[in-house]
Amino acid sequence: QVQLVESGGGVVQPGRSLRLSCAASGFTFSSYGMHWVRQAPGKGLEWVAVISYDGSNKYYADSVKGRFTISRDNSKNTLYLQMNSLRAEDTAVYYCAKGGDFLYGSGSRTRYYFDYWGQGTLVTVSS
Amino acid sequence: QSALTQPRSVSGSPGQSVTISCTGASSDVGGYNYVSWYQQHPGKAPKLMIYDVSKRPSGVPDRFSGSKSGNTASLTISGLQAEDEADYYCCSYAGSYTHYIFGTGTEVTVL
Repeated sequence: QVQLVESGGGVVQPGRSLRLSCAASGFTFSSYGMHWVRQAPGKGLEWVAVISYDGSNKYYADSVKGRFTISRDNSKNTLYLQMNSLRAEDTAVYYCAKGGDFLYGSGSRTRYYFDYWGQGTLVTVSS
Repeated sequence: QSALTQPRSVSGSPGQSVTISCTGASSDVGGYNYVSWYQQHPGKAPKLMIYDVSKRPSGVPDRFSGSKSGNTASLTISGLQAEDEADYYCCSYAGSYTHYIFGTGTEVTVL
């Protein structure tokens, strides 16, 4: 069965960096796009970033553009989120989620939803 | 771009039906048939309940149904059960710049 396990969260000071990881299993990781979605304490969900199945395309929410970088290592079945210049408003539970483009026959298609989610990792930005 | 608008809370007795609305704009909900719905129990990860406006993933009870009219999407839970008590979020694709917008979330209470 599909499993997504996030790690790397913790407490970090404003302006510092943190890298999150998401280990995937139970599906062909290299064939599927992946997302990061976050949820501030007591608040709603916010889409953060998406990466294509082969890593060639990456898109970001305006709130993190220029500060966060999404990447993947298909040889390790792992998704990453490099977070720089962290702010208090980045405090949230960060979820990785499967979705976006996927290999289909000789090309690719896109799923505009998030069909599997990890359990999340908490990032707290505080001095 | 602002979050999609959902009612803060809805409630119903076991066996009743409840409907949650999700209002956006022509640039998101109204412009694409890519609305999805997620159920989230306290302290848990969201779970996909409906995708592409009205399609149900395998394993999701047929008590859950989705629809859309203009800029408003809706999730209906028929035959409400105690385990349906949770927060529900809609999400819409919003084009190649904004990408995805979530709703404000609705708390469903089973009386």
